[in-house]
Amino acid sequence: DGGITQSPKYLFRKEGQNVTLSCEQNLNHDAMYWYRQDPGQGLRLIYYSQIVNDFQKGDIAEGYSVSREKKESFPLTVTSAQKNPTAFYLCASSIQGANYGYTFGSGTRLTVV
Amino acid sequence: AQSVTQLGSHVSVSEGALVLLRCNYSSSVPPYLFWYVQYPNQGLQLLLKYTSAATLVKGINGFEAEFKKSETSFHLTKPSAHMSDAAEYFCAVSGPGYSTLTFGKGTMLLVSP
Repeated sequence: DGGITQSPKYLFRKEGQNVTLSCEQNLNHDAMYWYRQDPGQGLRLIYYSQIVNDFQKGDIAEGYSVSREKKESFPLTVTSAQKNPTAFYLCASSIQGANYGYTFGSGTRLTVV
Repeated sequence: AQSVTQLGSHVSVSEGALVLLRCNYSSSVPPYLFWYVQYPNQGLQLLLKYTSAATLVKGINGFEAEFKKSETSFHLTKPSAHMSDAAEYFCAVSGPGYSTLTFGKGTMLLVSP
């Protein structure tokens, strides 16, 4: 079955470390997205990519980086510059643009220890 | 610019009662509107979407929503709540030519026996 796989489901980071969250899809979708979810704040867009080797910053890109070397993969790196990284991170994909809606992965919960 | 307002961060109903979750949007173009559901520690699942066809949209699990342009609303309803409906619900908006969805802050639905 087609879908989006996020790994790991839980991740712990020490202060000053970079960590990378994985997102893989086999839906043949062109566009992929990363959102951050905090209690009471809904979903906030970090980065998105509409085609391979191209991506755009969202509303809260500072302290994050991404790459899109393959259509199927859109990893997110949380750098040490992100001062408050503890959150639930959601990856999504869509056929093309947002008008058909997104398909979401199951999320990664990142905790700073 | 687009935005979504979900009235009420928490809504409580009794099992068997009507469910009404409110969503108002702001959009400078004809909107595409979506409702998603999220269970704890999971990704979001699409409930239904409006893309300029019928104004009354039926979704999964007995939910439906009505697009009212004059009121800029897209409220979600279900005639009879089940315990399994307890989750967080998100309204989202996009539009022609838009690359991303804009989400509301979510409404947590609590169902009591």
